[in-house]
Amino acid sequence: GAVVSQHPSWVICKSGTSVKIECRSLDFQATTMFWYRQFPKQSLMLMATSNEGSKATYEQGVEKDKFLINHASLTLSTLTVTSAHPEDSSFYICSARGGAGPSPLHFGNGTRLTVT
Amino acid sequence: GNSVTQMEGPVTLSEEAFLTINCTYTATGYPSLFWYVQYPGEGLQLLLKATKADDKGSNKGFEATYRKETTSFHLEKGSVQVSDSAVYFCALRGSGNTGKLIFGQGTTLQVKP
Repeated sequence: GAVVSQHPSWVICKSGTSVKIECRSLDFQATTMFWYRQFPKQSLMLMATSNEGSKATYEQGVEKDKFLINHASLTLSTLTVTSAHPEDSSFYICSARGGAGPSPLHFGNGTRLTVT
Repeated sequence: GNSVTQMEGPVTLSEEAFLTINCTYTATGYPSLFWYVQYPGEGLQLLLKATKADDKGSNKGFEATYRKETTSFHLEKGSVQVSDSAVYFCALRGSGNTGKLIFGQGTTLQVKP
């Protein structure tokens, strides 16, 4: 089946630094990718939707200048957490789909970010 | 707006017990409904889905029926196994077909031998 690779699987960084998370579709072209954030024992909260070649659409309350999303190709989207702070520590998950309409979503394994 | 509510966990069962995880939703129009499963250390996997009222999704012994009259999509399995231990998420996708999923808070299932 379709595979979405997310890297790194975990990262620890110091407060004030930036961290980039990659999401790749390995065997299909992902026209749309979604970025979610999951707090401990809570649901996945959609952060933004990115379409290849256009600006990401952010959900209400998500700071676009803090969470930079780039979807430069049909197989790669990146999420950069800029000037990270401890409250940004979370589990970030990407998902991708290959087409419009009822195309299935495929999820990455997630990235555990810890900001010290 | 659209929302999904799941029963709180953790749910702890003995092997071969019957499982029900409740899920109700609020949505306009005709959403599609999903159950995802997250095994320890892994990403989310689609377990089953239903795209219209009265549809029954099924996979790996799990079932869920799309009940529009009660706005529910409860997950059931007749006999759970230790390998079913995971976190289960109910989700909906609005009728706009944007692909955006709204998730419930997740329910942790622990099955003991």
